[in-house]
Amino acid sequence: NAGVTQTPKFRILKIGQSMTLQCTQDMNHNYMYWYRQDPGMGLKLIYYSVGAGITDKGEVPNGYNVSRSTTEDFPLRLELAAPSQTSVYFCASSYSSSGGAGDTQYFGPGTRLTVL
Amino acid sequence: KQEVTQIPAALSVPEGENLVLNCSFTDSAIYNLQWFRQDPGKGLTSLLLIQSSQREQTSGRLNASLDKSSGRSTLYIAASQPGDSATYLCAVRPPGSQGNLIFGKGTKLSVKP
Repeated sequence: NAGVTQTPKFRILKIGQSMTLQCTQDMNHNYMYWYRQDPGMGLKLIYYSVGAGITDKGEVPNGYNVSRSTTEDFPLRLELAAPSQTSVYFCASSYSSSGGAGDTQYFGPGTRLTVL
Repeated sequence: KQEVTQIPAALSVPEGENLVLNCSFTDSAIYNLQWFRQDPGKGLTSLLLIQSSQREQTSGRLNASLDKSSGRSTLYIAASQPGDSATYLCAVRPPGSQGNLIFGKGTKLSVKP
């Protein structure tokens, strides 16, 4: 199993450009998440999905959009990039949300995004 | 609003020492607490998950405890090794969430040979 994969690893955008961060998991997990991590800070939840076709906002959703057309893929779309979106973006997945061991979240390697 | 705090922000110890990392949270109503390890430039790796009904979990040289009533968790690392050097993150899952986690800022651990 590859686990959770993310592309690209690095990207530089100009202000106002758009891009899509890709995330794929091969563990057949229903739950998927997008977090951002700013230097010296904890991770903050952007969006999450509890299954194909179902998405919801997290703590910091402004400036982002997501879709979940398949169980495996959960892309994050940045529209009109701003310097405040410079961050490291992590995608994660889990089997369940029952409170038990199935809640363990598995993370991808991250995408380092710079907006200039 | 649930907040997670990890103290200290950084810790340096000589190889072989036993050490404790601390995590505190403001709302004792949690579904579970997870400890992660993050190496520089890498993603997070899950170390231990403690369910709300549990008091501790163990994996190899790691032992995590949970005291919900006091809003505290500790991660105990026995016989530390240079390979344990990393940032350790604590995260709690609040009730009513769909698996969403609230993270602390982490403790950066350096184990000197």
